[in-house]
Amino acid sequence: LAKTTQPISMDSYEGQEVNITCSHNNIATNDYITWYQQFPSQGPRFIIQGYKTKVTNEVASLFIPADRKSSTLSLPRVSLSDTAVYYCLVGPRGGAAGNKLTFGGGTRVLVKP
Amino acid sequence: NAGVTQTPKFRILKIGQSMTLQCAQDMNHNYMYWYRQDPGMGLKLIYYSVGAGITDKGEVPNGYNVSRSTTEDFPLRLELAAPSQTSVYFCASSPGQGITEAFFGQGTRLTVV
Repeated sequence: LAKTTQPISMDSYEGQEVNITCSHNNIATNDYITWYQQFPSQGPRFIIQGYKTKVTNEVASLFIPADRKSSTLSLPRVSLSDTAVYYCLVGPRGGAAGNKLTFGGGTRVLVKP
Repeated sequence: NAGVTQTPKFRILKIGQSMTLQCAQDMNHNYMYWYRQDPGMGLKLIYYSVGAGITDKGEVPNGYNVSRSTTEDFPLRLELAAPSQTSVYFCASSPGQGITEAFFGQGTRLTVV
């Protein structure tokens, strides 16, 4: 998988929008960008995936600029229950190179009242 | 639909003892993974499997063994437990290669004393 860099931690307040940027300068043509969320004492869960431009679902939005060297996960109007670690993964959806599903350190988001 | 089931949820081992962490999935996924997560850290890939009878090492395989005799089960064996193996262990499965949606179990919290 491509190397990614994301902030170690971020603090926010209830009702605010949280934006987490992930840098992936060496992204390959067939790589996708995927984000996972991990609540305390639970396993990670997939929240969103994209290839270019913008993807939105009921949990978050993912913004990917034209050069695809970075991406931003946006969490709208966060609540205390959004406190979690968010992981950015970049890699292909197929092929032997993508078999190792590896995680970095993630971004620890703390939502305060 | 149970998803990914891990047993036990908690275990205390004495140094030098051995044990097997069980993982089963009922989604007919070919790809399965074992991770360990130390306190405050990200996930480290121990072993993974791309199908029954096929396993491969991840980032931190030393001290562990796996087998994959069926599509459903992917047990992780710890031989000669050491305090450094104190961690939370997560099993995951995915339907395809690479950056596809992976489903995680609830984890096994292991303490070696």
